[in-house]
Order: sequence, then C-alpha cells, then structure tokens
Amino acid sequence: NAGVTQTPKFQVLKTGQSMTLQCAQDMNHNSMYWYRQDPGMGLRLIYYSASEGTTDKGEVPNGYNVSRLNKREFSLRLESAAPSQTSVYFCASSSKDRGDYEQYFGPGTRLTVT
Amino acid sequence: AQSVTQLDSQVPVFEEAPVELRCNYSSSVSVYLFWYVQYPNQGLQLLLKYLSGSTLVKGINGFEAEFNKSQTSFHLRKPSVHISDTAEYFCAVSEMNTGFQKLVFGTGTRLLVSP
Repeated sequence: NAGVTQTPKFQVLKTGQSMTLQCAQDMNHNSMYWYRQDPGMGLRLIYYSASEGTTDKGEVPNGYNVSRLNKREFSLRLESAAPSQTSVYFCASSSKDRGDYEQYFGPGTRLTVT
Repeated sequence: AQSVTQLDSQVPVFEEAPVELRCNYSSSVSVYLFWYVQYPNQGLQLLLKYLSGSTLVKGINGFEAEFNKSQTSFHLRKPSVHISDTAEYFCAVSEMNTGFQKLVFGTGTRLLVSP
C-alpha cells in the first residue's frame, strides 16, 4: 500500500496563476483533509471531506476550493495564487470505522508563490 | 471549540538525557489526544494516542504520555533521548463522538538532541 500520495512535491507559481494539488489514498478511508503548515503556526485545516460527496470549510478556507472526486481522491485548487499561500500543504485521511482514529499524512507539497 | 497550547517552541537536550514536551488543551467536551512527530522534510507520523482507559499511554520509539484531565494536559516524555529523536513534535486534539476526526494541532515543539 502506498498510503497517502500527493503530487506535485514542489511547485513555484507566479501571483495570479492557478493550480491543483492532487491527493489520493489507497486505504479505503472515508474522511480526507487538507492542511497548510507555516512556521510557528502548526498545521491548520483548510478543508475536509467527512465522506465521499461532502466537503466542508476548515479554519483557513479563503482562496481555496476542493473536490472530492471519489472515495480515493481529494484535490485542492488555488484559483488565483497569492504570496500568502506560500506554504507546505499536507493531505491526510482517516476512517473512524477502523477504530484507530489516526490520521495518515502524505509527504507534503511545498508551494512557493512569487 | 478546542485549542492546544505547546508552550515550548524549542527544547534543546543532550543525548541520553530525559525530556518532557508539554501540551495543554482546552475543550468544552471530552476529547481524544494525540502526539505526532515530523522528521525533516517529511509528513507527520503518529507517536501515540489517548482514546480512553489508562491515562499513561505508550507509543513508538520509547515515548510515553500521560493524560491529566484535571490539569487538561497531555505531556510527552522519553527517559533517554537519541540523536535520531531530533524532530518537530505536535500535540493534537479531537472531539469525541463525531462522525469523523477533525484534529486541532498545537504550534509544535522542535526537539534538538545534541551529542
């Protein structure tokens, strides 16, 4: 099992450009999440999908959109990138059905907006 | 709403010394508690979790944590650290009895182990 995979690993954008970060999990998890990590601020939840077909805003959703394409895939889109969106983005998944309550994280995407 | 406080942004320690990383939380409902570790340029990995039962929880790599409900704390400890424990450690909390797990993270503590 690959676990949680993210593409790309690195990306440089100019202000105003758009891009989509891809995330996929092969653990048959119901819930998926997108976080951003900034120095000294820990991880902050951008959007989450409790189950296939649903998405909800987290703590810092402005400037982002998401799509839960199917049970495996959850993408994050920046429509018009801004320097404030320079960050490391992590995707995660979990399944309460497993009884372990653990979130499994991908390796991250390092995004720089100039 | 929940919140997590990790008062120490950085903890320097010598190899083979004991270490404690502090975590306090705030919540109006019962919670689950977690410690995650992040090695340089990697994602987060679960160290240990408290769901219910014994308040002393043992995790991977010799770490343990104790849940103290009265002090709303979940401090992480290791009796003897190794150079390879150098990493950033995050405490996190989620409410019980939700249909999915929504974590709130602390700001992290960087553990620096030197020879």
